[in-house]
Amino acid sequence: QVQLQESGPGLVKPSQTLSLTCTVSGGSISDGGYYWSWIRQPAGKGLQWIGRVYTSGNTNYNPSLKSRVTISIDASRNQFSLNVKSVTAADTAMYYCAREAEAGGGGHWFDPWGQGTLVTVSS
Amino acid sequence: DIQMTQSPSTLSASVGDRVTITCRASQSISSWLAWYQQKPGRAPKLLIYKASSVESGVPSRFSGGGSGTEFTLTISSLQPDDFATYYCQQYSSYSPYTFGQGTKLELK
Repeated sequence: QVQLQESGPGLVKPSQTLSLTCTVSGGSISDGGYYWSWIRQPAGKGLQWIGRVYTSGNTNYNPSLKSRVTISIDASRNQFSLNVKSVTAADTAMYYCAREAEAGGGGHWFDPWGQGTLVTVSS
Repeated sequence: DIQMTQSPSTLSASVGDRVTITCRASQSISSWLAWYQQKPGRAPKLLIYKASSVESGVPSRFSGGGSGTEFTLTISSLQPDDFATYYCQQYSSYSPYTFGQGTKLELK
């Protein structure tokens, strides 16, 4: 059973870059041809999809964040990563990594999810 | 973006009640809709996909319906474990994927 675990700094200064890693266990990140996503949720608010990466390294991003976001994959470490540059307080949120539930292109729902990691942007 | 609008935002109900949450899409998404349950401090949990397919292990009291622009999540007989926040998600378009704003189901 595939499990995901987010890791990274819990506190980032304004204007700096937020960097998180999602480690996949229970299976290879390269197997099955899945997309791997990042999703965030400000405290008390709804869910926002940030973007996704394919096993080949192909990416898709939310247009509202595209200029600041980079998602990459490292199959050798069974990990994928998120970088958000030039952060502000508005980027303070719980960040989740998740796998799309079905392989291949197009759109899918998310399952499983990581437990989430809280990132606060503050000086 | 495809906008997803849930109603109501808050729903007060009692154990044993039958409740329905509605999710409307700003354009047709066929049956490309999922429902999640989220409890405080936890990641969302998949309940329903393809509008009406119940995820393995999810109690049979949960059901989903609809197509096009209007969808429902129904809990046939509320149990204490069901009080949580529920989100719909469209995956007709991944540019971008979008979620509803959430419906908080609270104990009356």
